[in-house]
Amino acid sequence: GESVGLHLPTLSVQEGDNSIINCAYSNSASDYFIWYKQESGKGPQFIIDIRSNMDKRQGQRVTVLLNKTVKHLSLQIAATQPGDSAVYFCAETLYNFNKFYFGSGTKLNVKP
Amino acid sequence: NAGVTQTPKFQVLKTGQSMTLQCAQDMNHEYMSWYRQDPGMGLRLIHYSVGAGITDQGEVPNGYNVSRSTTEDFPLRLLSAAPSQTSVYFCASLPLGDNVLTFGAGSRLTVL
Repeated sequence: GESVGLHLPTLSVQEGDNSIINCAYSNSASDYFIWYKQESGKGPQFIIDIRSNMDKRQGQRVTVLLNKTVKHLSLQIAATQPGDSAVYFCAETLYNFNKFYFGSGTKLNVKP
Repeated sequence: NAGVTQTPKFQVLKTGQSMTLQCAQDMNHEYMSWYRQDPGMGLRLIHYSVGAGITDQGEVPNGYNVSRSTTEDFPLRLLSAAPSQTSVYFCASLPLGDNVLTFGAGSRLTVL
């Protein structure tokens, strides 16, 4: 999901399918990564996080994968539901560093 | 527990006018921050604070001032608004030692 000009990349999936949202991060020194979900007209909300000493972390219906070699994160959503429709952002930081850097986001559109 | 409260939700200014975006949190979070969100560019950090009396610059601080006189409040001031400051502004906080931001609902600012 790289940003192209002013347009958010969009992922359209059928309800019930699995979704994979990708993010390339910029700083090889970053050691903590977070996925946020932003619904229309609202602020971002925490979904799941991962430290750099892990490759994978699972939550409820969500899994985050981290590939430090290519500086890549992915968010997998199982059995996608209409309520999952939102913009998803990844964020990177140095743990306890107090500065967070956000990706440009991917819009997930779930078709019923 | 109201979380992070931002006011106003919407504001229209003319070029050169000044205004203050308010942010208050009732979670006793030491860390507070301001982001701006522009289409296709994700969230960019403007200013942040790790406690009362302490502020620091983020990625895009020019044209904005902040102060932190209390733990609860972190206002963002535009001294002379410019059309380039048209954006959606988010305030976010977290307790020191944590790494997950709690966001407000956002303030949409238009500068004509």
